[in-house]
Amino acid sequence: GENVGLHLPTLSVQEGDNSIINCAYSNSASDYFIWYKQESGKGPQFIIDIRSNMDKRQGQRVTVLLNKTVKHLSLQIAATQPGDSAVYFCAEADTGANSKLTFGKGITLSVRP
Amino acid sequence: EAGVAQSPRYKIIEKRQSVAFWCNPISGHATLYWYQQILGQGPKLLIQFQNNGVVDDSQLPKDRFSAERLKGVDSTLKIQPAKLEDSAVYLCASSSPGAGSRTDTQYFGPGTRLTVL
Repeated sequence: GENVGLHLPTLSVQEGDNSIINCAYSNSASDYFIWYKQESGKGPQFIIDIRSNMDKRQGQRVTVLLNKTVKHLSLQIAATQPGDSAVYFCAEADTGANSKLTFGKGITLSVRP
Repeated sequence: EAGVAQSPRYKIIEKRQSVAFWCNPISGHATLYWYQQILGQGPKLLIQFQNNGVVDDSQLPKDRFSAERLKGVDSTLKIQPAKLEDSAVYLCASSSPGAGSRTDTQYFGPGTRLTVL
């Protein structure tokens, strides 16, 4: 069936470096994508979203890139800080069908001081 | 603005027992979701309410799980009887329809960690 997945289970980066977290999706009908951050013992926290009519969107220190040709989504975090350490999930939805989000498995970002 | 509230935060029960979780969404949010998150995985939608009506419960194991949102605000999720595989974090989320948008940002509560022994 359709699924959303992440390439790597863990990512370790040096504090101050840029981080890139990648996600592949397989539902070609998906037109809305979100990145969530989940810290230990907390619920997922919205980071940034992007719709399929865009290929790039920037927030504060974060950028999401969407490549619909290869069904690939990435989250870039600039100047990674210790507070960025968490599990990151991508999620996708086909808004033409409903607003149901399908989440990937998650990737752990570990920031080395 | 207060976030989504959930209680209890932790619950340990034995298999075949019953358990209930409570959620209070963000004030004014019409849509409420219950998710199950198994360790190491992303959240999986169990049920979605729009006000007090069910929009999607296709992934809710209805033989043991039930949920209600009688007055369109708070919601409860119940498991009866619990199985070992129900051990997970149960997350509640809420959202508010934006003008002309079918997909709205979902805000999550801290979750209830359930352990079934």
